[in-house]
Amino acid sequence: DAEITQSPRHKITETGRQVTLACHQTWNHNNMFWYRQDLGHGLRLIHYSYGVHDTNKGEVSDGYSVSRSNTEDLPLTLESAASSQTSVYFCASSGVAGITDTQYFGPGTRLTVL
Amino acid sequence: AQKVTQAQTEISVVEKEDVTLDCVYETRDTTYYLFWYKQPPSGELVFLIRRNSFDEQNEISGRYSWNFQKSTSSFNFTITASQVVDSAVYFCALEAGTYKYIFGTGTRLKVLA
Repeated sequence: DAEITQSPRHKITETGRQVTLACHQTWNHNNMFWYRQDLGHGLRLIHYSYGVHDTNKGEVSDGYSVSRSNTEDLPLTLESAASSQTSVYFCASSGVAGITDTQYFGPGTRLTVL
Repeated sequence: AQKVTQAQTEISVVEKEDVTLDCVYETRDTTYYLFWYKQPPSGELVFLIRRNSFDEQNEISGRYSWNFQKSTSSFNFTITASQVVDSAVYFCALEAGTYKYIFGTGTRLKVLA
């Protein structure tokens, strides 16, 4: 069955370190998204991609970067982790280009920055 | 500007009661989609429903029903005869032409046995 996976599921790191969160989908979806979830804020969009080599900034992109070298993967990198980036991170994917479709979410990664 | 408001932060009901979760949205686009997701205590996000702006028919799926009213920019979600397993955080989301979602802040529903 098609799915979307995230790794690691839990990560503890120190301030200033570079961290990469992986997202892999087997839906063959063109659109991929990264969100962070914080209490009182719901889910906020960090970065998104509409296809290979395409990346765009979302609402809360400062301190984060993504790259899309293939259809299946959209890794999220925190260049220099900060305590304010402690959060739960969700990856999602949707449809094919040109078609609005439902986003399917990965299981989430809980990141703690000490 | 696009915005989704879920004014109810937390709701508690006793099992078998009906409960309605409110969702109010703002958009200037004439074509848009609205969604509801459930986030149970285990943390995953589960898709419940998608509705496009041209379809104002109410929808019922088992104990779940959705009331979409463009006149009031609302897309409310009702659970009939609630059960403990319905306890979760419920999110409403809006998508208008860019495949990106705008999420509300969520409503935590507690169903007490």
